[in-house]
Formats: sequence, structure tokens, C-alpha cells
Amino acid sequence: GAGVSQSPSNKVTEKGKDVELRCDPISGHTALYWYRQSLGQGLEFLIYFQGNSAPDKSGLPSDRFSAERTGGSVSTLTIQRTQQEDSAVYLCASSLGLAGKAYEQYFGPGTRLTVT
Amino acid sequence: AQKITQTQPGMFVQEKEAVTLDCTYDTSDPSYGLFWYKQPSSGEMIFLIYQGSYDQQNATEGRYSLNFQKARKSANLVISASQLGDSAMYFCAMTLVRGARQLTFGSGTQLTVLP
Repeated sequence: GAGVSQSPSNKVTEKGKDVELRCDPISGHTALYWYRQSLGQGLEFLIYFQGNSAPDKSGLPSDRFSAERTGGSVSTLTIQRTQQEDSAVYLCASSLGLAGKAYEQYFGPGTRLTVT
Repeated sequence: AQKITQTQPGMFVQEKEAVTLDCTYDTSDPSYGLFWYKQPSSGEMIFLIYQGSYDQQNATEGRYSLNFQKARKSANLVISASQLGDSAMYFCAMTLVRGARQLTFGSGTQLTVLP
């Protein structure tokens, strides 16, 4: 079946502009995660969605970052007023996310964001 | 808070030999899962193997096995019969069973398989 898809694959933007990154999880996966991978910080958790519950935003680095998930499926990560330190690969992952178990997360190919 | 430590930034192994990638973890929570992911130069994160904290036996998936030593809080990945295609970055990660179950990653080990 189809895996996790992300778009765009690459995004170059000017400092101060807003960007939107999209993630389409595996069908039937109720849990969706956003991570950021950068040279200096490694892989960092950003935000987590589980079904229709309120998201866990504990990993978002600043209030310039926000995300939403519509209809329990597609998610959009928005970065406002981008800064050069936002340059990174943004990875989306999904999992079955059922209570009481730890399931493997399946990752998308990522969006490489470059802020100039 | 959880922490994953991978002390080998880079490793080399001869083709067809076995290699062990080290991983230690730290958590006070008794219920957790441990994962290994492979990231080739193309960038995708590929799930390799999973070990639950209450699993009695070490996990195995084909040429991959996880050497789980709970008392030492280690979860080393063993790759048997290395292949050239195994050259990649390898990440150890953990998640708690409760809460968001987000992954906490180590810094990774760059494995190079030599012909």
C-alpha cells in the first residue's frame, strides 16, 4: 500500500516568509508525528496528533510553528516568519497509535526546507 | 525525560562480516519500546527492528537482531553478513508506551561497509 507522502520535497524560501508543509499519512494510521532533522540538533520531535484528540505540541520550538490535522488524515505544518535556523529536513511519520502499545512509526521522505 | 546515547559516530565493517552498533538508553519509566531505524543517503527513515521493555526474548528480523540487556539499559543492533547496501546512518530510538509515544533519537552511527 501507499506509504507516508510529503510535499513539497524541497522548499527554498526567503527569511521572513511563511511556509506550509504537507503530510499525508498511511491510511488507517490514527497517530501522526512531525519531526525535524538538522545538523546541529539531530532528530527532534515537534508535534503529535492522535485521532481527534488535542495535539501534543510540547516539541514546537516557538510560537512561529503550528500544525493542524484535518479530518484525522492530512496534516499541515506551518512556519511563520521563517528564520535561517529553521532550515532543516521536516519529517512526518504515522503509526497505528493504539493505546497500551508502542508501534513502529513509518516515515515519509521529508521536506528539505532552506531559508535564505 | 528519556535519553538515547550512541557513542560510535562512525563504524567500518568488511562485507559479509557481522557488526554491532551500540545504543544505551535512560528512562525511569518501566514501559517503553526501543527501535532501530536506517537512513540511507537518500534520506528516508526505514524501520528495522523493535524491542518492547517486557519482551523476554531478543528481537530478530532477518539479518538484524537486537541485543537487549535491560539491566545495563543497552539495546545494541547486530547486523550479520553485512552487505554494501547496509552502508547508511543508523539511529537508535525509544518511546514510552504512555502518552504521545513520540520517538527520542540518538545521534546516529554512520556505518560504511567495505568491499
